[in-house]
Amino acid sequence: GDSVTQMEGPVTLSEEAFLTINCTYTATGYPSLFWYVQYPGEGLQLLLKATKADDKGSNKGFEATYRKETTSFHLEKGSVQVSDSAVYFCALSGYAGNTPLVFGKGTRLSVIA
Amino acid sequence: EAGVAQSPRYKIIEKRQSVAFWCNPISGHATLYWYQQILGQGPKLLIQFQNNGVVDDSQLPKDRFSAERLKGVDSTLKIQPAKLEDSAVYLCASSQGAQNSPLHFGNGTRLTVT
Repeated sequence: GDSVTQMEGPVTLSEEAFLTINCTYTATGYPSLFWYVQYPGEGLQLLLKATKADDKGSNKGFEATYRKETTSFHLEKGSVQVSDSAVYFCALSGYAGNTPLVFGKGTRLSVIA
Repeated sequence: EAGVAQSPRYKIIEKRQSVAFWCNPISGHATLYWYQQILGQGPKLLIQFQNNGVVDDSQLPKDRFSAERLKGVDSTLKIQPAKLEDSAVYLCASSQGAQNSPLHFGNGTRLTVT
């Protein structure tokens, strides 16, 4: 079945450091790919998405590019802030419409001043 | 717009007791999901509704878990009897139901089974 593998955490960075969180997937067909973020005490929020190969999703300074050849969707940010401290989840949705999300295990990011 | 509402926020029960969670999705959202998130893991789908019909319940432990979405609006998830391994956060999400429409999540119910 479909699956998502993302890098283990926790990741601890200093403010203004560069962030990469790796995500690879296994799926049939052409899934849509997502990054969700969970801030402390809050629910999951959609951060960005990409629905086809070579699409780049971006939001709040975060970016991820849908790479079909490497089945990857790595999350990047050029300069992290303390407020980016959260748990980040990579997820995919199957090719057929309205299919549920399959999530990775999540990566906890802590940014220190 | 109002978000997905879930209650209670926290629940502590003893094993073999029963418990119920409630979810009210965003108005007009046809699709409703229940996910289970065990500590340190990503959310795992339990059941998906489209209006008041079940689309996917293949991962729902039907011997102890049940869910319903009467009238295609709010939903309840029940566990009876609970086991220690059911300790988790139970997340409800809703979407408009079109392809690639985003899921909107509630804040979840944290269940502790002792």
